[in-house]
Amino acid sequence: AQTVTQSQPEMSVQEAETVTLSCTYDTSESDYYLFWYKQPPSRQMILVIRQEAYKQQNATENRFSVNFQKAAKSFSLKISDSQLGDAAMYFCAYRSAGATNKLIFGTGTLLAVQP
Amino acid sequence: DAGVIQSPRHEVTEMGQEVTLRCKPISGHDYLFWYRQTMMRGLELLIYFNNNVPIDDSGMPEDRFSAKMPNASFSTLKIQPSEPRDSAVYFCASSRGSYNEQFFGPGTRLTVL
Repeated sequence: AQTVTQSQPEMSVQEAETVTLSCTYDTSESDYYLFWYKQPPSRQMILVIRQEAYKQQNATENRFSVNFQKAAKSFSLKISDSQLGDAAMYFCAYRSAGATNKLIFGTGTLLAVQP
Repeated sequence: DAGVIQSPRHEVTEMGQEVTLRCKPISGHDYLFWYRQTMMRGLELLIYFNNNVPIDDSGMPEDRFSAKMPNASFSTLKIQPSEPRDSAVYFCASSRGSYNEQFFGPGTRLTVL
């Protein structure tokens, strides 16, 4: 069974600085998708970024980028120029590329942004 | 376009009562998912539907939980009888196709006293 591990329960960053959130996963599959979701205090789950395992190029979305290391099964999220609105819980998630459509989530990292 | 709509946003009930949570997916989406979020277990998938048919209900905790999707625009998650350990935030999500992004609703916070 696949598992997703986020080893940092809480992180803090100064406004305008850069922070990296860690995620590792375990799978025997070769084709899959990885995601980072943001959950602000409003509870709404928002997709931040997505990475296809078959793509070697790291995904980027504006200030958000990932460092995808397939061999190491690592998928970290880098937030550049942190803003107060980035404060939220961040979840890493895995989904098989096969028939199943399940998202498997990590336990989350609570990010605080200090002004 | 309206996103995924869930109702109610908050529900407080007493142990033993029946609880029904409702979800309206985004129009045109053919996959619907029910998730539960607790401090102890995090976010876990309970069940998902494709074209109104349940595909995987292996995450449903026990027989007290049931989910239906009578049509493409409506789904319910029912707990009968409810217990305090069912207290959680329940999310509904939908997607178009199996490989596309899942859009989440705002969640229903359920408290069972």
